[in-house]
Amino acid sequence: GAVVSQHPSWVICKSGTSVKIECRSLDFQATTMFWYRQFPKQSLMLMATSNEGSKATYEQGVEKDKFLINHASLTLSTLTVTSAHPEDSSFYICSARNRVFGQPQHFGDGTRLSIL
Amino acid sequence: AQTVTQSQPEMSVQEAETVTLSCTYDTSESNYYLFWYKQPPSRQMILVIRQEAYKQQNATENRFSVNFQKAAKSFSLKISDSQLGDTAMYFCALTTRDDKIIFGKGTRLHILP
Repeated sequence: GAVVSQHPSWVICKSGTSVKIECRSLDFQATTMFWYRQFPKQSLMLMATSNEGSKATYEQGVEKDKFLINHASLTLSTLTVTSAHPEDSSFYICSARNRVFGQPQHFGDGTRLSIL
Repeated sequence: AQTVTQSQPEMSVQEAETVTLSCTYDTSESNYYLFWYKQPPSRQMILVIRQEAYKQQNATENRFSVNFQKAAKSFSLKISDSQLGDTAMYFCALTTRDDKIIFGKGTRLHILP
């Protein structure tokens, strides 16, 4: 089945640091990837849609300059949390699907980000 | 606007029992897909089952089946012979042509030994 790899799975860093999270589709091409944020015991909140070769589309209320998304190839999207602060601590999940409408999104295992 | 509503925040059932999780949705699109995802304590998102809106037949995957009522915009998940490993958060989700997935708030399911 389709596999999405997300790395790192857990990161702890100091306030002010920038953190990059990678999302790779291992066995299929993903023209579109999605980035979610999940607070404890809550649902997934879509942050942005990452489109290969073009700018990401951010959801309302998500700071573009804080959460930089790059989708340079059909198998890799990155989310960079710039100048991270404790309030950015959360669980971040990416997903990807192939080009066919109705195919389910396949999720990475998530990244637990803790900012001290 | 598209919405997905899960009205049961939390449920508990005994092992081997059958449990049904409710989900209602709203969309003006005629072509869409519905999903149930499972998120165990490991926090992986696992696809449980998928339903195509234009198909009347309810999807089934082993012990998991759905009751898809298109007119009522209802999409419930039935888990038969529940097992301890079914303990998880379950999310109902809707996707339309704009490619986004809209998730419900989830139902936390506890399977009791």
